[in-house]
Amino acid sequence: QQQVKQSPQSLIVQKGGISIINCAYENTAFDYFPWYQQFPGKGPALLIAIRPDVSEKKEGRFTISFNKSAKQFSLHIMDSQPGDSATYFCAAGLSSGSARQLTFGSGTQLTVLP
Amino acid sequence: NAGVTQTPKFQVLKTGQSMTLQCAQDMNHEYMSWYRQDPGMGLRLIHYSVGAGITDQGEVPNGYNVSRSTTEDFPLRLLSAAPSQTSVYFCASSYVGVGETQYFGPGTRLLVL
Repeated sequence: QQQVKQSPQSLIVQKGGISIINCAYENTAFDYFPWYQQFPGKGPALLIAIRPDVSEKKEGRFTISFNKSAKQFSLHIMDSQPGDSATYFCAAGLSSGSARQLTFGSGTQLTVLP
Repeated sequence: NAGVTQTPKFQVLKTGQSMTLQCAQDMNHEYMSWYRQDPGMGLRLIHYSVGAGITDQGEVPNGYNVSRSTTEDFPLRLLSAAPSQTSVYFCASSYVGVGETQYFGPGTRLLVL
């Protein structure tokens, strides 16, 4: 059962364009929504995260938009650069006792053309 | 700080062989976890631990064992490797708490023939 659905699977954007990746979740108990960035041959690294009590969070060129009623959230990359080419994973976190487990989306491979 | 380290980087096994994937962290994190990454499947949680002596199953635990004897180390054991276990394995660690960042290791690529 896939609890976090991510789209698109791949995305090609021209340099300077806007990249948009979407995720939808099913479990309303999720209370933490991070995005991870992964370069080839490396482990994922936290890019930006949001809690459900806010609708938007911006860090530099990266913005998360969160729609609690629709159970959807998205990552916007403004002024996309070739160095942004990577795989992006959305995730949803569920507090379970004292542990935090993350359920990941299937990933989006972003290519930014020079 | 070395962060999260994993060994080996790459391993080839024959069906039925056993092996241990090593994971260590030097950030004094209570929480450690193992994920496998397969094309189109994202990252799936195998096992996790909230402290020394405490482990629990994730989404896909079958065929894998873990133990946590120290805060620093969290090895993953494949008891009898199967081709379906061909994957890239990532170890991650974090503090236990709401919104804590998980730090991932560089991964181990495993091929089971």
